[in-house]
Amino acid sequence: DILMTQSPSSLSASVGDRVTITCRASQTISSYLNWYQQKPGKAPKLLIYAASSLQSGVPSTFSGSGSGTDFTLTISSLQPEDFATYYCQQSSSSPYTFGQGTKLEIK
Amino acid sequence: QVQLVQSGAEVKKPGSSVKVSCKASGGTFDSYAIAWVRQAPGQRLEWMGGIIPLFQTTNYAQNFQDRVTITTDEFMSTVYMELTSLRSEDTAVYYCARHMTTVTTTWFDPWGQGTLVTVSS
Repeated sequence: DILMTQSPSSLSASVGDRVTITCRASQTISSYLNWYQQKPGKAPKLLIYAASSLQSGVPSTFSGSGSGTDFTLTISSLQPEDFATYYCQQSSSSPYTFGQGTKLEIK
Repeated sequence: QVQLVQSGAEVKKPGSSVKVSCKASGGTFDSYAIAWVRQAPGQRLEWMGGIIPLFQTTNYAQNFQDRVTITTDEFMSTVYMELTSLRSEDTAVYYCARHMTTVTTTWFDPWGQGTLVTVSS
């Protein structure tokens, strides 16, 4: 199985900050990488697919990059509603695996 | 825009089974695949398997191969996930999600609201 490792596991930031979350795959996955946002008690929501494609309706403050084994999710200017947990997920091969999550908290 | 509506919370005894449903609101699943993903307390999301209702083809994660069965009704409007031989570690929120596939990539969107399954004696 492909192991997905995110860093950091938690992050404190302020409204307006630029933040970057990293995801590393245990083997190459080309651009088969998706990012999700999850708020407490809610289902995950797709933000980015294919490493860098913004899902419809997602603010342009979110962006993704990377290929191969190393990927990043960047939020260019944090908004109050962005404080949540973020997960990466590889869709290169079954079983489709997720990172352990990065919890983004208000500083 | 399809919405996925899941059945309500369940409390089960160890060794029993649970069957969770996922209904396409406002239509059918057409040719889309539906995946099941679970989230145990404090754990990462875990893909369990999926089905393409139109073709009745399934794909299961090896971790659940012997205990999970994913099916659909004859109208392809509801997908079911049954998990047998429940143990306390199966306590989790279970999500269904549409498994979108293009020629270049694949992702899960949208997701159902989740169903909490609690396994306790």
